[in-house]
Amino acid sequence: AQKVTQAQTEISVVEKEDVTLDCVYETRDTTYYLFWYKQPPSGELVFLIRRNSFDEQNEISGRYSWNFQKSTSSFNFTITASQVVDSAVYFCALGGAGSSASKIIFGSGTRLSIRP
Amino acid sequence: DTGVSQNPRHKITKRGQNVTFRCDPISEHNRLYWYRQTLGQGPEFLTYFQNEAQLEKSRLLSDRFSAERPKGSFSTLEIQRTEQGDSAMYLCASSPGGPSYEQYFGPGTRLTVT
Repeated sequence: AQKVTQAQTEISVVEKEDVTLDCVYETRDTTYYLFWYKQPPSGELVFLIRRNSFDEQNEISGRYSWNFQKSTSSFNFTITASQVVDSAVYFCALGGAGSSASKIIFGSGTRLSIRP
Repeated sequence: DTGVSQNPRHKITKRGQNVTFRCDPISEHNRLYWYRQTLGQGPEFLTYFQNEAQLEKSRLLSDRFSAERPKGSFSTLEIQRTEQGDSAMYLCASSPGGPSYEQYFGPGTRLTVT
């Protein structure tokens, strides 16, 4: 069965601090896809990144970076120099291939609050 | 606006009534998904379409739920004989292809069953 675990329910940091959101996944597929989505207070899910299981290179996009480690089945997300606008619920998600290709399995989310 | 749109944004209904939601995907996307999200949880998959064909339904989708995508364009999700447990945010997403593509989500329809 596929599963995504985001153990951190809520995180609160002061603006400009770095913060890492953890994500651990379970799958039996050899080909799979990992995603991060942001859900701001307005409610609309915003796509941040997609990673396939064959690409373990870390990725950096501005203040955002992602660390994918197959050995520990983790796909962690770091925000550097956090800003108040980063406050949102962040979801890690897993998409499969083959029989489980039709849907994305979401974690329960981490609510991130950035205090000014 | 070329994003995914959903109507209505909010719906309040009495238990036992039928409700219907609409989703308009991004025009060139052939896949359309429905999810349900309850407070404090991530979205849960309900069903998806490739063009007009409904290819998978979750066990969450009881026989009171039905979805259609006539002509492979917009989609509707109908809930018959609503129950209080149906109260949730119903999200629609679309993508241009299979699992390697990200899904783009609409703003959702918040259903409250009283």
